[in-house]
Amino acid sequence: AQSVTQPDIHITVSEGASLELRCNYSYGATPYLFWYVQSPGQGLQLLLKYFSGDTLVQGIKGFEAEFKRSQSSFNLRKPSVHWSDAAEYFCAVGANTGFQKLVFGTGTRLLVSP
Amino acid sequence: GAVVSQHPSRVICKSGTSVKIECRSLDFQATTMFWYRQFPKQSLMLMATSNEGSKATYEQGVEKDKFLINHASLTLSTLTVTSAHPEDSSFYICSARDGGHSYEQYFGPGTRLTVT
Repeated sequence: AQSVTQPDIHITVSEGASLELRCNYSYGATPYLFWYVQSPGQGLQLLLKYFSGDTLVQGIKGFEAEFKRSQSSFNLRKPSVHWSDAAEYFCAVGANTGFQKLVFGTGTRLLVSP
Repeated sequence: GAVVSQHPSRVICKSGTSVKIECRSLDFQATTMFWYRQFPKQSLMLMATSNEGSKATYEQGVEKDKFLINHASLTLSTLTVTSAHPEDSSFYICSARDGGHSYEQYFGPGTRLTVT
């Protein structure tokens, strides 16, 4: 079974500074990897996904993530954070068989300071 | 883009009553839908997977008689919380997988259930 670890519960970044959110996964085969963002009381919005091919994937809102198989990681990055990026970020891994259900990490809450 | 709606967005019910939450895919056919539960400041926990026209597959520890799931059409799945108790209060989120694009799930906006 797959699992996801997001080691940082909270991260505070100054507006305009760069951001990296960590995600490590465990899965026996090539995983499908996702990053979602959730604002308070809202559903999830997909930022980006990795299925195969280029290991550096670009997403919406200026986010990108890099799949590193050797490190079992899929870290999310953004070069310059905006105050509106403050939210909860979830990394998820999907099985590539069966119903392809997702397993989510515990989330990282991003706080943006002025 | 693919849109998933949930109704209601918020519901308050009394202990012992049942409440139904609807999840609809608005512009695509969802062969598979998923129901998640999210406690405050925690992650999403998959409750069950439902496929159109067949019984739902529940995750370990989820009571199937308490959380009834029906996926009667390719655009609608419902979750009924039966005999609700205060501990069932939570944020319930559904997602739907487009049968034509099998790897991506589209999430609804969630339903906040409060049981008094």
